[in-house]
Amino acid sequence: SQQGEEDPQALSIQEGENATMNCSYKTSINNLQWYRQNSGRGLVHLILIRSNEREKHSGRLRVTLDTSKKSSSLLITASRAADTASYFCATGPGGGNKLTFGTGTQLKVEL
Amino acid sequence: KAGVTQTPRYLIKTRGQQVTLSCSPISGHRSVSWYQQTPGQGLQFLFEYFSETQRNKGNFPGRFSGRQFSNSRSEMNVSTLELGDSALYLCASSGTSGANVLTFGAGSRLTVL
Repeated sequence: SQQGEEDPQALSIQEGENATMNCSYKTSINNLQWYRQNSGRGLVHLILIRSNEREKHSGRLRVTLDTSKKSSSLLITASRAADTASYFCATGPGGGNKLTFGTGTQLKVEL
Repeated sequence: KAGVTQTPRYLIKTRGQQVTLSCSPISGHRSVSWYQQTPGQGLQFLFEYFSETQRNKGNFPGRFSGRQFSNSRSEMNVSTLELGDSALYLCASSGTSGANVLTFGAGSRLTVL
């Protein structure tokens, strides 16, 4: 079963705009990760934020984590057409690589 | 360095048959995990192997099994295939057991007719 729910399910924006997607989860976590998946391909790790962190940056990516609300957000700034993909959050309790993935947000960046 | 390699990339089977999928992790990675991705259920964890031992298992029937060899390569097998087993099967490897960061292969897309 999916622990994480992501919204929106789909997002369409213009190149240059910012894209924000949200993830909620249900149980205590050790860390939360975001992955990107291009159509029908494998997932690519983007960023990991630990449960004791509130915000993390990597290039054009900004991730926040609110453990009290069991939620996270991923912001992609100055989006590009190449950012078109599905984005998933994933949580892991630690002690192994069993991740629980969210339902994903399909992002389309139009020229 | 080479990424995670999955073979075959595409395959078509009929109900009742069995299938074996293969995964070669990144050199030096000892943990291999398998996930099933379907439009209806999303990404679901199947199992994880570390140093030839199954360490975690998801909620899948016994028809789904796997193993890991001494060179860390892994295989998963699905017996008595059902239509609902049609999915993208993703393999991922990790260098350490606690960091959770996974490197995924491109997947094996299984179609069951």
